Amino acid sequence: EAAVTQSPRNKVTVTGGNVTLSCRQTNSHNYMYWYRQDTGHGLRLIHYSYGAGNLQIGDVPDGYKATRTTQEDFFLLLELASPSQTSLYFCASSPGGDTEVFFGKGTRLTVV
Amino acid sequence: SQWGEENLQALSIQEGEDVTMNCSYKTYTTVVQWYRQKSGKGPAQLILIRSNEREKRSGRLRATLDTSSQSSSLSITGTLATDTAVYFCATDGGTGGYKVVFGSGTRLLVSP
Repeated sequence: EAAVTQSPRNKVTVTGGNVTLSCRQTNSHNYMYWYRQDTGHGLRLIHYSYGAGNLQIGDVPDGYKATRTTQEDFFLLLELASPSQTSLYFCASSPGGDTEVFFGKGTRLTVV
Repeated sequence: SQWGEENLQALSIQEGEDVTMNCSYKTYTTVVQWYRQKSGKGPAQLILIRSNEREKRSGRLRATLDTSSQSSSLSITGTLATDTAVYFCATDGGTGGYKVVFGSGTRLLVSP
């Protein structure tokens, strides 16, 4: 069973604060993704990566940075958090871009 | 947006009925994937159908793909209350298999 672990599971921060969401996969997958999920919008792709050191811009990248430090670890950074970034964030991994994507359990972020 | 006519937003049916959900997209994709997301969980893949396939079955699930009309459908026969979930289709966003982008989803409620 593919394993994707996100931390923290819940986070509250203030407007203008810095937040780092962490994701680790132990599947030896090349691809990793960060999505946000909001009611009415489904899952929207923020950033993704093909491998360590690689970063690709997704469909809603504004206000987010990401870094893939190793094959296993993918981080999402919010350097000046805003209330519009309050959302449920999912990390995911897959062996390739046209194969099954395995999701973590999500991180609920609230920016007050 | 790469999505055409969005999925129906919500469906409510009785247990035992059959249901079909539709998805249309604007850019060519190498694969269409269907995912199910139950409350409080991350999405999980149900079926992957490639551009050279017209139909794929898995148990009570049947997915179709029409590349000429750029549309896909997911049918569930003999629904159960446990099929209650949000169903998403996903494509590669016209990248040839490098991204996985999700539609806004269909919320299915199956009543006992």
